[in-house]
Amino acid sequence: GAGVSQSPSNKVTEKGKDVELRCDPISGHTALYWYRQSLGQGLEFLIYFQGNSAPDKSGLPSDRFSAERTGGSVSTLTIQRTQQEDSAVYLCASSPWGRGGGNTIYFGEGSWLTVV
Amino acid sequence: DAKTTQPPSMDCAEGRAANLPCNHSTISGNEYVYWYRQIHSQGPQYIIHGLKNNETNEMASLIITEDRKSSTLILPHATLRDTAVYYCIVPPGLHGSGNTGKLIFGQGTTLQVKP
Repeated sequence: GAGVSQSPSNKVTEKGKDVELRCDPISGHTALYWYRQSLGQGLEFLIYFQGNSAPDKSGLPSDRFSAERTGGSVSTLTIQRTQQEDSAVYLCASSPWGRGGGNTIYFGEGSWLTVV
Repeated sequence: DAKTTQPPSMDCAEGRAANLPCNHSTISGNEYVYWYRQIHSQGPQYIIHGLKNNETNEMASLIITEDRKSSTLILPHATLRDTAVYYCIVPPGLHGSGNTGKLIFGQGTTLQVKP
């Protein structure tokens, strides 16, 4: 399994519940990204991790959203007290982030979240 | 990110070349041009990237103008499976610890390949 792996692939939750979405990046990739995409909309940047640096959280839409990356590998995106507007596909991506070669990122297939 | 401008939509006949333009007039000297595409209901897929020379791989060719202010992605023989949204992105250049490296996706060009 060489690609970015995300779980669950589909999640239906009740409004007000908390959800956790998991991302396993490509082995050896130091950079990890979370995006979300609402139906018919473009990709919205959420958060970016690079090695041991502090994450760039500038895209998180509210304090109900948080993410962590343990051991520089697996990442979990947590949404607390979910709202219907949180319904979207949440996409994770990773990158080797090598200097001098640009920044090619590879996406997973996403976690489809539906809040009812 | 250097701002990019793409037409919102394009059509192409199956078997013909698809030429997708992108303007990036504020690009800096060390910033790459990246192309990704997103087929309906799938995660975005990397296509190609370049700095100043033209590039070609098994998927596409990338032509960058000499002044680097615009580029064209070429799919030489478009198929119905190439119908997708194509994104042209210029991420921050590699010039120190202030670079976050995040990719910001615009609205892209919706390419419709028709039989």
